[in-house]
Amino acid sequence: KAGVTQTPRYLIKTRGQQVTLSCSPISGHRSVSWYQQTPGQGLQFLFEYFSETQRNKGNFPGRFSGRQFSNSRSEMNVSTLELGDSALYLCASSLDRTSGRGSYNEQFFGPGTRLTVL
Amino acid sequence: DAKTTQPNSMESNEEEPVHLPCNHSTISGTDYIHWYRQLPSQGPEYVIHGLTSNVNNRMASLAIAEDRKSSTLILHRATLRDAAVYYCILFNQFYFGTGTSLTVIP
Repeated sequence: KAGVTQTPRYLIKTRGQQVTLSCSPISGHRSVSWYQQTPGQGLQFLFEYFSETQRNKGNFPGRFSGRQFSNSRSEMNVSTLELGDSALYLCASSLDRTSGRGSYNEQFFGPGTRLTVL
Repeated sequence: DAKTTQPNSMESNEEEPVHLPCNHSTISGTDYIHWYRQLPSQGPEYVIHGLTSNVNNRMASLAIAEDRKSSTLILHRATLRDAAVYYCILFNQFYFGTGTSLTVIP
């Protein structure tokens, strides 16, 4: 079956602009998580959506937001872009990553969207 | 406080075993220990996970310390295709860190 797809793969924006990234999870997966990856900070968790609801959120400013649609596709938006937002944004889907109760489903990552802010 | 700490880089000779360590002293009782790896220009992929007991699968083995404050990912025979960044992750704490970059020497 098809893997996680992310569009676009590459983006170049300027400071102050906003950007929307899209993620289509594996069919049947209801949990979608977003991560930011930079050389200095590694992988950092942004947020997780399950059944159209944000279930968990990382420590990022309010300029970073997201949503999930009824077909489990997800978008994330970054407003008022800053140079430091340049990064690889990864999306991952799973059947259901149940937090805090010890159960776990494997996360499947997409190839990422490379965002460059000039 | 870092949730997990790993060496920044390690090297191994091809066809030799590799032991990748991870410290997770803040682990809680319900935290599974997960390992993912990221090949160049790709998203991370699942390797293995465990809670208390050592685990084996076709890719690797996971050895978990008795106090669960550390674990070791074991690649039994490193191949050139194993060159990647390996992440030790506590998903429940949403912490990934910067991982260990493994270089495999032919």
